[in-house]
Amino acid sequence: GEDVEQSLFLSVREGDSSVINCTYTDSSSTYLYWYKQEPGAGLQLLTYIFSNMDMKQDQRLTVLLNKKDKHLSLRIADTQTGDSAIYFCAETPLMTTDSWGKLQFGAGTQVVVTP
Amino acid sequence: EAGVAQSPRYKIIEKRQSVAFWCNPISGHATLYWYQQILGQGPKLLIQFQNNGVVDDSQLPKDRFSAERLKGVDSTLKIQPAKLEDSAVYLCASSFLGVPSYEQYFGPGTRLTVT
Repeated sequence: GEDVEQSLFLSVREGDSSVINCTYTDSSSTYLYWYKQEPGAGLQLLTYIFSNMDMKQDQRLTVLLNKKDKHLSLRIADTQTGDSAIYFCAETPLMTTDSWGKLQFGAGTQVVVTP
Repeated sequence: EAGVAQSPRYKIIEKRQSVAFWCNPISGHATLYWYQQILGQGPKLLIQFQNNGVVDDSQLPKDRFSAERLKGVDSTLKIQPAKLEDSAVYLCASSFLGVPSYEQYFGPGTRLTVT
């Protein structure tokens, strides 16, 4: 079955870059996502990448996709204290009648930004 | 644009009691999802609706969980009877049919504690 794995914890100093990594097993993944969850809140979509791309940049966020190794990363430039949160990697498999829009999440990476 | 609304935000019940959660998706979003997020884990899909029909309920423990989406708008998720392992945050999400990236918008969740 599908599986998405992430490292559990990342500590970074304010102003540095953060890199959060994710591996997935489903080679039929069509879209891959990064969601952010702050304490007591729902998930907020940060960015996504289509599986035929290898990079996407959106302001301070850079997503890299290595489809051969099934590896996804999220780089946050100039990390701020407001970036402290849990970051989830998720993937959507090839659309079928049973999996339309279905998200498979990793366990999340807790990012702590220190002054 | 109003976001996904959920109520209640918090609920504490004893095991073997019943509980119901309510979700109002973003206006015009045909697809609605219920996720269970156990502490320290990523969200797990329980059920997915397309308008008022069920697309995927393969992960829903049907002996105790039920969900409905009357008239294709609001949805209710019920647990009867609750077990200790049902303690989790229940997240509702919605998406607009036809968006290729299948973007899902999440509500704030209902935190359930079963004692």
